[in-house]
Amino acid sequence: DGGITQSPKYLFRKEGQNVTLSCEQNLNHDAMYWYRQDPGQGLRLIYYSQIVNDFQKGDIAEGYSVSREKKESFPLTVTSAQKNPTAFYLCASSMGDNRKAFFGQGTRLTVV
Amino acid sequence: AQTVTQSQPEMSVQEAETVTLSCTYDTSENNYYLFWYKQPPSRQMILVIRQEAYKQQNATENRFSVNFQKAAKSFSLKISDSQLGDTAMYFCAFTFSGNTGKLIFGQGTTLQVKP
Repeated sequence: DGGITQSPKYLFRKEGQNVTLSCEQNLNHDAMYWYRQDPGQGLRLIYYSQIVNDFQKGDIAEGYSVSREKKESFPLTVTSAQKNPTAFYLCASSMGDNRKAFFGQGTRLTVV
Repeated sequence: AQTVTQSQPEMSVQEAETVTLSCTYDTSENNYYLFWYKQPPSRQMILVIRQEAYKQQNATENRFSVNFQKAAKSFSLKISDSQLGDTAMYFCAFTFSGNTGKLIFGQGTTLQVKP
């Protein structure tokens, strides 16, 4: 079945650690996105990528990094510079522009 | 700046009744697209309905329909014959041509369908 897979579902991070969230899609979509969801707020864009080896910052990119070495994969690293990383992270993909976006099931990151 | 506003943080409806969720947006773009996404307790984001701004006809998907008022920049979602499985958070979202598919989301409305 085609879709987007995020892993892990739950992730715990110690202070000062970097952690990487995985996002893989087999929909052959060009564009991929990372969103952050906090309670009482809508989703906010962290990073996005339209093609392999290219990505751009979204509205809240500070403390995060990404790579796009393969079309299917768009991992997100939450660095120690991100001061408030506890949140729900959603990955999405689309054919770009105004096509509908498909979402993964999300990763819940908690700082311990 | 493009913004999306959902003014109803929480709503409830009795099973089998009809409920309308509100959404307003602000943009100077002419060619844009509006969406309603559903996020049930599983937290999977599911597209409910999509509306192209250049189309005058309101989009409909089974029990879900929208009231798109372009001049007023309003995009409400009507759920008819509400079912317990409709219990979820609903997000209104917006994008426009040339925005590379990036979505701008409202704050969400939590809908509780009561038996």
